[in-house]
Amino acid sequence: DQQVKQNSPSLSVQEGRISILNCDYTNSMFDYFLWYKKYPAEGPTFLISISSIKDKNEDGRFTVFLNKSAKHLSLHIVPSQPGDSAVYFCAAPNTGNQFYFGTGTSLTVIP
Amino acid sequence: DAGVTQSPTHLIKTRGQQVTLRCSPKSGHDTVSWYQQALGQGPQFIFQYYEEEERQRGNFPDRFSGHQFPNYSSELNVNALLLGDSALYLCASSLSRDRGNYGYTFGSGTRLTVV
Repeated sequence: DQQVKQNSPSLSVQEGRISILNCDYTNSMFDYFLWYKKYPAEGPTFLISISSIKDKNEDGRFTVFLNKSAKHLSLHIVPSQPGDSAVYFCAAPNTGNQFYFGTGTSLTVIP
Repeated sequence: DAGVTQSPTHLIKTRGQQVTLRCSPKSGHDTVSWYQQALGQGPQFIFQYYEEEERQRGNFPDRFSGHQFPNYSSELNVNALLLGDSALYLCASSLSRDRGNYGYTFGSGTRLTVV
């Protein structure tokens, strides 16, 4: 049962433009959502999170938007840089801190 | 300050064999979780250890077992290996009182190939 879904396996954008990565979830009990970034041969690293009581959280070039009614969140990267090229995972923890991950979106930022 | 350390980084095993993967958590962390990431998939939760006991378990068969030692380090054991067990195995450590992103740190993983 895939409780967190990322339907776009890959995304390519030009440097300086906006990257939008999408994520859907099915479990309305999730109260926290996170985005992780993963480079090859490295473990996932935390990027940004959002609580379910908010609809937006911003950290520098990264903004996460949450639409609870649609069970949808998105990650915006503005402006995109070549170093942002990585696989991005959306994740949500249950009350026991077990994380449910999406399948990931591979972002390529073209110089 | 060392992060999460996993060993070995790569491993090749034959079908039917047994394997042990190791994880040292980040200094100060007391909880270790293990994830399996198959090619093209997101990490899937295997189990979590706290105070040397399995606290949560995902949808994995009993062939997958683990252990946590008094120094908080952990092992993941897989018996009777199948070709489908080939994956990247990730260890993540955290502090038990924290939730969400707080202090949840991943290691670089062990790449297991079963032939």
